[in-house]
Amino acid sequence: SQKIEQNSEALNIQEGKTATLTCNYTNYSPAYLQWYRQDPGRGPVFLLLIRENEKEKRKERLKVTFDTTLKQSLFHITASQPADSATYLCAQVGEGYNTDKLIFGTGTRLQVFP
Amino acid sequence: DTEVTQTPKHLVMGMTNKKSLKCEQHMGHRAMYWYKQKAKKPPELMFVYSYEKLSINESVPSRFSPECPNSSLLNLHLHALQPEDSALYLCASSLVTGPNYGYTFGSGTRLTVV
Repeated sequence: SQKIEQNSEALNIQEGKTATLTCNYTNYSPAYLQWYRQDPGRGPVFLLLIRENEKEKRKERLKVTFDTTLKQSLFHITASQPADSATYLCAQVGEGYNTDKLIFGTGTRLQVFP
Repeated sequence: DTEVTQTPKHLVMGMTNKKSLKCEQHMGHRAMYWYKQKAKKPPELMFVYSYEKLSINESVPSRFSPECPNSSLLNLHLHALQPEDSALYLCASSLVTGPNYGYTFGSGTRLTVV
């Protein structure tokens, strides 16, 4: 069955460093991957969408890559700040005819220390 | 208006009660979703509405009953819930269904069933 995993449950880094989060998917290769940020007790906030033919997408301090050979997406936050501390979720749509549904990965809780 | 508004923010209900969660958006989005999120878990899809029609029901128990009265409103009617149904209920919308549109989420309703 379709599965999307984020390797690290938690990631702690020092302010100013680059945070790298990993999203792996199995079985089915999505044409698109999305990344969201979620703060405690709040709904997820859409950050970036990357298409399989884009390989890399940037938005300010954020960068997402998409490797269909490795079935993996990497999410980078450069010059990280304590305000970046949150849970980050990757998501893909269902396979086949199930493109109406967005399925979330397990999430990585990022903590940036001053 | 770029928000999804959910009411109430918190709800405590007994197992014999009937209550409703409300979700509203005025972004012209034609796809709306209900997700359920337990603590430290990713959001899980419950229902998808596309152009006011139910397109996906993820085998949700009948004690949860969705309704989409018009393109801006989405309700979730609750009846005879169990304590294990306690969770954060998230509403989301997107321009249309499909993989290349990010979702806009509301802040959720924190539901406690006693």
